[in-house]
Amino acid sequence: NAGVIQTPRHKVTGKGQEATLWCEPISGHSAVFWYRQTIVQGLEFLTYFRNQAPIDDSGMPKERFSAQMPNQSHSTLKIQSTQPQDSAVYLCASSLGLSQNTLYFGAGTRLSVL
Amino acid sequence: AQSVTQPDARVTVSEGASLQLRCKYSYFGTPYLFWYVQYPRQGLQLLLKYYPGDPVVQGVNGFEAEFSKSNSSFHLRKASVHWSDWAVYFCAVSESNYNVLYFGSGTKLTVEP
Repeated sequence: NAGVIQTPRHKVTGKGQEATLWCEPISGHSAVFWYRQTIVQGLEFLTYFRNQAPIDDSGMPKERFSAQMPNQSHSTLKIQSTQPQDSAVYLCASSLGLSQNTLYFGAGTRLSVL
Repeated sequence: AQSVTQPDARVTVSEGASLQLRCKYSYFGTPYLFWYVQYPRQGLQLLLKYYPGDPVVQGVNGFEAEFSKSNSSFHLRKASVHWSDWAVYFCAVSESNYNVLYFGSGTKLTVEP
């Protein structure tokens, strides 16, 4: 079991460019979560899918951010027109999808917006 | 809404000494509480989790935590710290039957020889 796989590990974009981050959950896990980690804000919940359906996106910025889960083997987080304040480590986690189940985190994607 | 506060941004202990990392939660109902550890350039790993029941929870690598409803706390403890425990520790809370975790700001643990 390779765990949760996030690609790329590092991404550098110019201001105004688009960034797409990929997450492959653990096989058999039906819930996928996205978090953002910065020194100032800490770990912020962004959005969450269960069985590929969006369940809660209350943490997603209203503009420029979107997330999808087109199949059970991957999810994407897309940031349009990236801004320097989007620089962060984006963490993906998966779980079996049952209540109170453990979240397993990937190593994260470090996004740097120049 | 639920939240957790970790009042100590940094803690330094000597190897072999005991450890306590503090966590205070805020939640109207019965919380589900977690401690995660993050080693450099890695994702978060679960140390232990509390579901309503025995207030003292045992975790991996000799860690344990104690839930206190009266103090709204979930402090992490270890009897004897090892250099490999050098990491950032996060406390998190979740509502019952709902998987989203809300994290504290983390405590960076430094272990001195």
